[in-house]
Formats: sequence, C-alpha cells, structure tokens
Amino acid sequence: GAGVSQSPSNKVTEKGKDVELRCDPISGHTALYWYRQRLGQGLEFLIYFQGNSAPDKSGLPSDRFSAERTGESVSTLTIQRTQQEDSAVYLCASSPRTANYGYTFGSGTRLTVV
Amino acid sequence: AQSVTQPDIHITVSEGASLELRCNYSYGATPYLFWYVQSPGQGLQLLLKYFSGDTLVQGIKGFEAEFKRSQSSFNLRKPSVHWSDAAEYFCAVVNDYKLSFGAGTTVTVRA
Repeated sequence: GAGVSQSPSNKVTEKGKDVELRCDPISGHTALYWYRQRLGQGLEFLIYFQGNSAPDKSGLPSDRFSAERTGESVSTLTIQRTQQEDSAVYLCASSPRTANYGYTFGSGTRLTVV
Repeated sequence: AQSVTQPDIHITVSEGASLELRCNYSYGATPYLFWYVQSPGQGLQLLLKYFSGDTLVQGIKGFEAEFKRSQSSFNLRKPSVHWSDAAEYFCAVVNDYKLSFGAGTTVTVRA
C-alpha cells in the first residue's frame, strides 16, 4: 500500500478482555516494528520483525503481549487479559530492510482499557 | 547501546522567530540519526536523516539539522516558525537494527 495502515484507529475494551491490533506495512518493506506511546510519554520499543521472524522481542512488557507476522505482510499485536496500564497508542512502523533507512509510521491505534 | 538525549522538554517560540531543538547522541562511530515530528493526534513523520557526508542536512517543511561530531550533537533548526509547527519533535538513532528515540520536545508557537 501507499502507507502503513493500522486498525482499528481506536479501541475501547474492558479490563481482562483480549485485543488484537493490526498493522499492514508498506508493500516490499521487510522490516516491521511495534512501539507503545503512553500519554505524554516517548516511544517504547516492543518488537521487531524481519520478514516473519522476530529477532528482537526484548520490549514486550509481559507474556500477555505477543505478536506475529505473516510473511512480509500483515502483523498482529495481541494483548491478553488487558490491564488499565495497557492504555496507550500503539504505533507500527515499517522500513525497506533495516532501520538505517528510517521508518514510515502508521497513524496508530489508541487503546483504552476501562 | 546507542541512545539520544533531548535536553529540552518544552520550548515556546513566537511565530516568525527561529527555532533550535537540541539532540545529543552517545555513539563512538558515525551514527544514523533522524528527526521526526508528531502533530497532535497524528503518527510520526520523518523530517530528515543523517548517514554520512555533508554535515548540514535539509529536510521537509523548511527544517535543517547539523551533525557536529565534536559536540555529539544533531540539532534541528528552522529559521522562521509557523503556527503549524506546533508539535512534538523526536530525535532518534539506529540502535541494534531498530530506532531508539529521545523523550521528545514539545514546541508551542505563540502568535
């Protein structure tokens, strides 16, 4: 696609429910990244994909968080048993091969856990 | 690990005045450096990037940045700000195949 697409743009969920966030990167971009941005905070790295493998999952905050990617295409970030502290904007970005090229970001998914 | 520091949390500038945002990096070799802008409610947009070569880099929206190895800095500048430049600005560096971001500087533009 022309840009990085994320869905949904907004999600309100009840505490304890599971949520899935979707990212569709730019076609041909092999590298894909997920970040979290809490209100008024900077960007917190979550996970990096190269193709469909995840060489760096070091930022996932707990085992409630998981992510997968199909080939060099769509990625899904899943949060199980959501907690209020999971409320944040989840940003996805993609890059042609490596971060050396810089990222193109999606518009993010605003997750609110009530 | 490579990292960047943005010393200024918030800057207020008058419309038409010049703007400089500071970014310091910690890395021995020549880093890959970036500036991004995030307007309210928006994703992040790449303003400019530095890999090597000319130390003065031109970007979009009239921004430029200068890489100074002696000061470990990559400061962002704009000669004359517009009200639409009110946003949050993030400096970033490549760190182990991903970007590490500074904490951001919020820019307020007053009329």
